[in-house]
Amino acid sequence: DAGVTQSPTHLIKTRGQQVTLRCSPKSGHDTVSWYQQALGQGPQFIFQYYEEEERQRGNFPDRFSGHQFPNYSSELNVNALLLGDSALYLCASSLTGGQNTIYFGEGSWLTVV
Amino acid sequence: GQSLEQPSEVTAVEGAIVQINCTYQTSGFYGLSWYQQHDGGAPTFLSYNALDGLEETGRFSSFLSRSDSYGYLLLQELQMKDSASYFCAVRNAGNMLTFGGGTRLMVKP
Repeated sequence: DAGVTQSPTHLIKTRGQQVTLRCSPKSGHDTVSWYQQALGQGPQFIFQYYEEEERQRGNFPDRFSGHQFPNYSSELNVNALLLGDSALYLCASSLTGGQNTIYFGEGSWLTVV
Repeated sequence: GQSLEQPSEVTAVEGAIVQINCTYQTSGFYGLSWYQQHDGGAPTFLSYNALDGLEETGRFSSFLSRSDSYGYLLLQELQMKDSASYFCAVRNAGNMLTFGGGTRLMVKP
């Protein structure tokens, strides 16, 4: 049973560029959330997707957008990259309803130069 | 808004017991989760409390008092591999997590 998988694991982008990160949730899970974790800080919630729609959103600008596909996988897109976007981007997978465990992927390390 | 407070650093010796406290102010509280994160790794689920009381999972236990907006993680029989950052996180009904700043635990021989 595969856990939460993310790609790519590491990437370097230039200011102003755009990036797409990908996530496949744990088998049987239907909800994907994205978090940003800066060095030395706790993860910050970006947004959550369920049934291919954005359900909750944290305090992030609309440069951050996402998508969920019919197979529950998800993408995070960030436009007009800033140096401050450099962080670990984590995908969290869960099953809607009940008190089910929320699992995290290994993350994608993004460096903006 | 929501906020969680936990100590930034804790140091203990192998074999000892350590308690990491977490206080929170939040709306829409559904439960309190604990995650472990080693440097360069992903947060790994440790424990979850939706109701008041103690939950025990092996060497790790977690406690919640909803009336006091307080919880703690208790680690027993500390091992060197327990050196990591530990995060408390409030969960809302929609499975959104709000994390504290993390507690860096250093276990010394």
